[in-house]
Amino acid sequence: DSGVTQTPKHLITATGQRVTLRCSPRSGDLSVYWYQQSLDQGLQFLIQYYNGEERAKGNILERFSAQQFPDLHSELNLSSLELGDSALYFCASSVAEGGRWETQYFGPGTRLLVL
Amino acid sequence: AQSVAQPEDQVNVAEGNPLTVKCTYSVSGNPYLFWYVQYPNRGLQFLLKYITGDNLVKGSYGFEAEFNKSQTSFHLKKPSALVSDSALYFCAVRDPIKAAGNKLTFGGGTRVLVKP
Repeated sequence: DSGVTQTPKHLITATGQRVTLRCSPRSGDLSVYWYQQSLDQGLQFLIQYYNGEERAKGNILERFSAQQFPDLHSELNLSSLELGDSALYFCASSVAEGGRWETQYFGPGTRLLVL
Repeated sequence: AQSVAQPEDQVNVAEGNPLTVKCTYSVSGNPYLFWYVQYPNRGLQFLLKYITGDNLVKGSYGFEAEFNKSQTSFHLKKPSALVSDSALYFCAVRDPIKAAGNKLTFGGGTRVLVKP
């Protein structure tokens, strides 16, 4: 157990809908990362938040947004869902902003199925 | 931009035999390299990392990895594989440019099957 928690574990929804994925980082970690794992794209970095501020952005669609709250938990919002958004979404956390010694620890993921 | 390649989609090995999972990388500047393992229906678990120093890195569960700068490789190894090592293994590289944050770029993954 990495100490990173994600809810829900599974999510089934329809095209066009909006969902929210939640992540709680390890105790004391200030950075939260979101990754998407799909069969065709592999594991891709979406976005990083550090202490409430956006720190780095990857291949995140405009339909997707994220935020990190004062208690450091993070939410990933996916809207106008398409079939291709079906994937496993991972959250990870690390202790600080991204020093070279830092390790990212991953949660169990949320499996999203868009029908 | 940095990239990682895992040339083998699957590696089959008999229990008790040595296990090697290959990884090559491309990055500007000093590479920060990681190995993660994913068991079925589980998240990614950190195994080990290379930042600097000794080219042989020891990690969790008896795994180690050898960093080779001239060959731009970071192969994962285990001297004696267990059936329980059967999983999906990912190599990753961290962008060395601080302005890029701490994003990891992952390889495509290698499925390891250890047969009894």
